[in-house]
Amino acid sequence: DSGVTQTPKHLITATGQRVTLRCSPRSGDLSVYWYQQSLDQGLQFLIQYYNGEERAKGNILERFSAQQFPDLHSELNLSSLELGDSALYFCASSVQTGTNYGYTFGSGTRLTVV
Amino acid sequence: DAKTTQPPSMDCAEGRAANLPCNHSTISGNEYVYWYRQIHSQGPQYIIHGLKNNETNEMASLIITEDRKSSTLILPHATLRDTAVYYCIVRVPNAGNMLTFGGGTRLMVKP
Repeated sequence: DSGVTQTPKHLITATGQRVTLRCSPRSGDLSVYWYQQSLDQGLQFLIQYYNGEERAKGNILERFSAQQFPDLHSELNLSSLELGDSALYFCASSVQTGTNYGYTFGSGTRLTVV
Repeated sequence: DAKTTQPPSMDCAEGRAANLPCNHSTISGNEYVYWYRQIHSQGPQYIIHGLKNNETNEMASLIITEDRKSSTLILPHATLRDTAVYYCIVRVPNAGNMLTFGGGTRLMVKP
């Protein structure tokens, strides 16, 4: 157990639908990052939140949105789903300890759009 | 963050040392070298990091050349469970910035 909790682990939904992925960061970590990994593709950074505020944006589609709540958990909302959105979605959290960021990744949510 | 170049794949015999190279010729003076790995469909896992001195921990050793333009991650006695994609990332250790993953090296440890 890495300390970063992602739910659900698996999700199957139909095209056009909307889903919400949830991430609870490791205790004490203020930053949350979302990554997408399509089949046989690399990890693509989507978005980062720090203490409730959006900090950085990557290749996130307009159909996707995220937020970080006061208790620091984060949700990634995916809407108008397409077949190509099928992927593993990872959440990571971080805190700086010396020169090591202590990036910790969750076990991911596997989204299948049918 | 400086760009890195890694071979797309490597094989290693079980029990032997796995040496994974990484080129980062444009590394700047305040950038560190980080290594992560991703075992099939799991979240990436931190392995080791360093600035210019060689580093060792319970998982691996990191050798950085004197000019810092390349480095090698060494798994001293590779096991089948070390089969994974290994990512070399060069960046300034500034809290709050995301990790940028390249293609990595797919290491296959064979019996």
